[in-house]
Amino acid sequence: AQKITQTQPGMFVQEKEAVTLDCTYDTSDQSYGLFWYKQPSSGEMIFLIYQGSYDEQNATEGRYSLNFQKARKSANLVISASQLGDSAMYFCAMREGHQGGKLIFGQGTELSVKP
Amino acid sequence: EPEVTQTPSHQVTQMGQEVILRCVPISNHLYFYWYRQILGQKVEFLVSFYNNEISEKSEIFDDQFSVERPDGSNFTLKIRSTKLEDSAMYFCASSRTGQDGGTQYFGPGTRLLVL
Repeated sequence: AQKITQTQPGMFVQEKEAVTLDCTYDTSDQSYGLFWYKQPSSGEMIFLIYQGSYDEQNATEGRYSLNFQKARKSANLVISASQLGDSAMYFCAMREGHQGGKLIFGQGTELSVKP
Repeated sequence: EPEVTQTPSHQVTQMGQEVILRCVPISNHLYFYWYRQILGQKVEFLVSFYNNEISEKSEIFDDQFSVERPDGSNFTLKIRSTKLEDSAMYFCASSRTGQDGGTQYFGPGTRLLVL
């Protein structure tokens, strides 16, 4: 079974609009972390946002927020006021157990921002 | 801002040759990782390293692979006898424990092509 599922292979959004990228996860651990990374066409992996399983508030970092619904096991990324530079691949990842554990990645969603 | 660095950025090698990929993790981080990403696919965990030993490895990380921290700053991945299917982007990452939930910061990657 997939541990991390990203069901949207590709998404389009108009510049300045908000967009939600979906991510669902599967774990039996009580302690885990959820992460989003951005991968532009240049290839690097850029950390965007982190949500801990015990955090009650949704994480926010500038224009990025994470809509964490624990009961549904979802961790959707919301990008507000999209910019052309947001066009990239976005990966959701999960770390189970202790903080030094490995990341398990989803398949990614390719976001294209239209002017 | 501290960052993970990797060298070389690109490497072309012949099948059967040995390659060493180098990484300098962020200086106060204690956990180090290697991941790979075959073109167009998701990021896959290879190995994690803590306290001068491997803490976890994946099925991909077979006897052809090894890791080493030869001094206080470098972290290397060696592939002893490369195969065509080793062609991929290899990412080094590092993390610490703390309020950032063990966020892993990635280097820019080494793109390996095996001919």
